[in-house]
Formats: sequence, structure tokens, C-alpha cells
Amino acid sequence: DAGVIQSPRHEVTEMGQEVTLRCKPISGHNSLFWYRQTMMRGLELLIYFNNNVPIDDSGMPEDRFSAKMPNASFSTLKIQPSEPRDSAVYFCASSLRGQGYEQYFGPGTRLTVT
Amino acid sequence: DAKTTQPPSMDCAEGRAANLPCNHSTISGNEYVYWYRQIHSQGPQYIIHGLKNNETNEMASLIITEDRKSSTLILPHATLRDTAVYYCIVKNTGNQFYFGTGTSLTVIP
Repeated sequence: DAGVIQSPRHEVTEMGQEVTLRCKPISGHNSLFWYRQTMMRGLELLIYFNNNVPIDDSGMPEDRFSAKMPNASFSTLKIQPSEPRDSAVYFCASSLRGQGYEQYFGPGTRLTVT
Repeated sequence: DAKTTQPPSMDCAEGRAANLPCNHSTISGNEYVYWYRQIHSQGPQYIIHGLKNNETNEMASLIITEDRKSSTLILPHATLRDTAVYYCIVKNTGNQFYFGTGTSLTVIP
């Protein structure tokens, strides 16, 4: 099993640019989660999907952030426009709801906004 | 979900058992205890979870007290690769995890 796949692994961009992070969950999993991790705030849940439907986006910091899940095998997290305070590691995780709910995390995308 | 309290850091000698405590005095009857760890620069990794009974898998053992107000994660023979931040999480069957600050475990050669 390939596990959760995220791309890119590293992204450096200038303030004001659009950033798109991508995630492929584990095949057969029907819940997907986007997290952000910083030294100051730790690991924060941004949004999660069940069966491709966004369930709770209360963790999304502001309207500059948006997430989509067009099908069961792909999700994106977009930041437009990006700001230096968005610099963080962004993790995607997936789980098979009803099987103990343990989440399996991807390797993360390290985003740096200059 | 119930709040958890963990020591910020611990050391353990290589080859010895690492016992990581977690207090969750406000846990309710339908809440599970989960443990994850995060090795530097990697995503969090699921270790084990339990409700009432003690649990064991290939990675670790989870001991939950009878009143369920605390638990201990046991790594029976710690290796250098077990150096990581360990998160104790209490949650119900909803999907949201709150990771907190965890315990930074350092395994010493």
C-alpha cells in the first residue's frame, strides 16, 4: 500500500501567489483530513471530508483558504493569495470510517511564503 | 472531547521499556484513548487505541486504569528510532482529533 501521497513535498512561493497542495488518500478510505502544523500552534485540523463532502471547515483560517475533493482519490488545498504567515507544514490524512477511525497521515508539504 | 495532560518530555535508555503517561480525568464513557507519534519531519503515525481493556499490538501496549482517568503507553524495548513526540488523544467516534503538545521522548544510546 502506497499510503497517503502528498505533492509537492516542498513549496517556496512569494507573497500574493496562489498555492495548490495535493493529496491522494489511501484507496478505499472515505474520510480525508487537512491539517496545518506550526511551532506556535501545533497541529491544527483545517477541514475534513466524508465521502467527498466537506463536513467541517471551521478550522480554515480565512477565505483565502479553500479545499476541494472532486473524487474519492484526490483532494486539493488552495491558498489564494498566500501570505508569509501561511508558512507551515500541511498534512493530509485519510481514514476508513467505522474501522476505529485511526487516521493515516501523508508525509506533508512544507510551504514557505516569502 | 476530553482534555489530556502529558509530561512535556521524557528520556529513556535504549533497550529499556519506555512508559509514557497520560491523564484524562474528564473522559466520558464513549471516548476512546488514542496514541500517535510524530518522528521529526514526518507525518503523525497511529500507534494504538483502546476503550476500557488493555491493548497490545506489534508497536506498543496500552494500559488503561480501571476508572479510565489515566493511561500508559508502553514501548517494551525502546530503540533510537522511537525518538519522537507522542500524542495521547481522547475522542469519541466522531472524526476530529485534537493533538495537543504531546510528550517528546528521547531514547538515549
